[in-house]
Amino acid sequence: KNEVEQSPQNLTAQEGEFITINCSYSVGISALHWLQQHPGGGIVSLFMLSSGKKKHGRLIATINIQEKHSSLHITASHPRDSAVYICAVGTPGTYKYIFGTGTRLKVLA
Amino acid sequence: DAGITQSPRHKVTETGTPVTLRCHQTENHRYMYWYRQDPGHGLRLIHYSYGVKDTDKGEVSDGYSVSRSKTEDFLLTLESATSSQTSVYFCAIEATPSGVGTDTQYFGPGTRLTVL
Repeated sequence: KNEVEQSPQNLTAQEGEFITINCSYSVGISALHWLQQHPGGGIVSLFMLSSGKKKHGRLIATINIQEKHSSLHITASHPRDSAVYICAVGTPGTYKYIFGTGTRLKVLA
Repeated sequence: DAGITQSPRHKVTETGTPVTLRCHQTENHRYMYWYRQDPGHGLRLIHYSYGVKDTDKGEVSDGYSVSRSKTEDFLLTLESATSSQTSVYFCAIEATPSGVGTDTQYFGPGTRLTVL
């Protein structure tokens, strides 16, 4: 069993829909990261969370440390949000990360 | 983008040949990483470096070696490439975004390597 699990693996939505991507982890973490990988391959960091909630534009990330679970929400989705979203956790006392396999999102116009 | 470049961006090579990938950063970050990305797997750590000449193995280090003789350059070498090393390779650095006081990773654009 992977230490970082994401769901769903694939998601297709219509433009304007509210989207939720989930990440569960089974290890102790120093922080949780959400990354976005566009079809061209580049990877960018969206959020780093150690508690609570963060918001940037239409993106909202939450984390529940007790339940070892994080969600990434996209409000008013748009075709340009189409990408692979990757959850990663930092391991305490190290600079190593464990990555989920990603959620492939496609938003249709 | 934290000033990270990778070279080459694409490479096709034959089994048994040596290959070196270069990661270059311009901002003197201490921590640098090499990952590979394959379908059905998350990014997997090959090696990382925590300073000049200081490196350590990741979870998929077999068949790979690294060197860091300068802060700005982190080299990944496949001594004798195999078809199982066909992958997309990403370099990353650990940075503290200014004013935030936390660490996050910034990724290079990736190198697509095909071993025939």
